[in-house]
Amino acid sequence: NAGVTQTPKFRILKIGQSMTLQCAQDMNHNYMYWYRQDPGMGLKLIYYSVGAGITDKGEVPNGYNVSRSTTEDFPLRLELAAPSQTSVYFCASSLVHFDVRTNYGYTFGSGTRLTVV
Amino acid sequence: GQQLNQSPQSMFIQEGEDVSMNCTSSSIFNTWLWYKQDPGEGPVLLIALYKAGELTSNGRLTAQFGITRKDSFLNISASIPSDVGIYFCAGRSGTGNQFYFGTGTSLTVIP
Repeated sequence: NAGVTQTPKFRILKIGQSMTLQCAQDMNHNYMYWYRQDPGMGLKLIYYSVGAGITDKGEVPNGYNVSRSTTEDFPLRLELAAPSQTSVYFCASSLVHFDVRTNYGYTFGSGTRLTVV
Repeated sequence: GQQLNQSPQSMFIQEGEDVSMNCTSSSIFNTWLWYKQDPGEGPVLLIALYKAGELTSNGRLTAQFGITRKDSFLNISASIPSDVGIYFCAGRSGTGNQFYFGTGTSLTVIP
């Protein structure tokens, strides 16, 4: 059981380039999330999805796009990379949105470290 | 967005010592989570709290949901080297879809 898999683990982009961060989960989870983590800061929610075909903005969505064509995959797209997007990106998933009856939390991937120069 | 403040920012302790850290918010939350992040990895859920005053343990870890609903506490007893990492709190108000994360407490355990 692989859990949440993120690729690539590291990437260096030039300003203005575009790229897609991949995220896949094999747990049949409905909910998926993208967070960014800046040094000394907590996780900030970029986008989330409650199921295939449904996405919504989080706290810091500007400069990013997402799609959810399947339950398993939730790619994050950067169209015009900027230095402010240098960060560590985490994808997470959950079966339901933290059902208090079952204590389902988020399962996080191991992260993608992105540097924009 | 919601502001969660964690303190202390970092701790350096001797193996065997107890550890206490806390998290405060500007808003009332109805769910508090505590995560641990090892270097190069994603956060892993340690403890979840659902109501004010609740005290929940997970091995040597104990967390409490503050009675004001604006804070939470995490204690680690008899620390060991593998406790090293960054501990994050996260909270949610109402039934919204977003958890807000604290800035983290970095723990170093000296053998």
